[in-house]
Amino acid sequence: GQNIDQPTEMTATEGAIVQINCTYQTSGFNGLFWYQQHAGEAPTFLSYNVLDGLEEKGRFSSFLSRSKGYSYLLLKELQMKDSASYLCAPSPGGSYIPTFGRGTSLIVHP
Amino acid sequence: SQTIHQWPATLVQPVGSPLSLECTVEGTSNPNLYWYRQAAGRGLQLLFYSVGIGQISSEVPQNLSASRPQDRQFILSSKKLLLSDSGFYLCAWQPNTEAFFGQGTRLTVV
Repeated sequence: GQNIDQPTEMTATEGAIVQINCTYQTSGFNGLFWYQQHAGEAPTFLSYNVLDGLEEKGRFSSFLSRSKGYSYLLLKELQMKDSASYLCAPSPGGSYIPTFGRGTSLIVHP
Repeated sequence: SQTIHQWPATLVQPVGSPLSLECTVEGTSNPNLYWYRQAAGRGLQLLFYSVGIGQISSEVPQNLSASRPQDRQFILSSKKLLLSDSGFYLCAWQPNTEAFFGQGTRLTVV
């Protein structure tokens, strides 16, 4: 089975940096997705990590440690539009199907 | 370019009524297709996935079924809806590792 743990809610200030952590236990492991979901909308893809280390993509970066079952999403220069849920989704061994946790609701305030 | 269509956007159905949600993908062939459900305050739960015509895998036993009558068509159905079937239903397709989501159907069973 899968067990995915991330904080339920986080708050941050516009212009700041925030790190959203995720720990997971899966039956095998292929890689880990991060998705962003605004209220009432479908999730949109942010990143997919297969190898250990940090991958940077603009204001967003994602880190993976396979041995520790740990990942984080780093958001820099926060903007109000970054207020959303951030979903950590490992894909178990044998497939690339994202298995989602409950997500972290990020609230960015002025 | 590839696109995914899902309809309707919102649906209100009485308990015991049937359900049919349709998802189609354009611009690709033999995609992996998925149905997810997101209940209020909960994470995305994988319901069904399909790797080809007529091939359906069910992740969670429940009051729903899925069919794939054509390569780029994926249908979610129920013969008799329950109150607990209310939620946000999302179709997704996966050309390689990244999964793209349709706009979702918000189903309210009353």
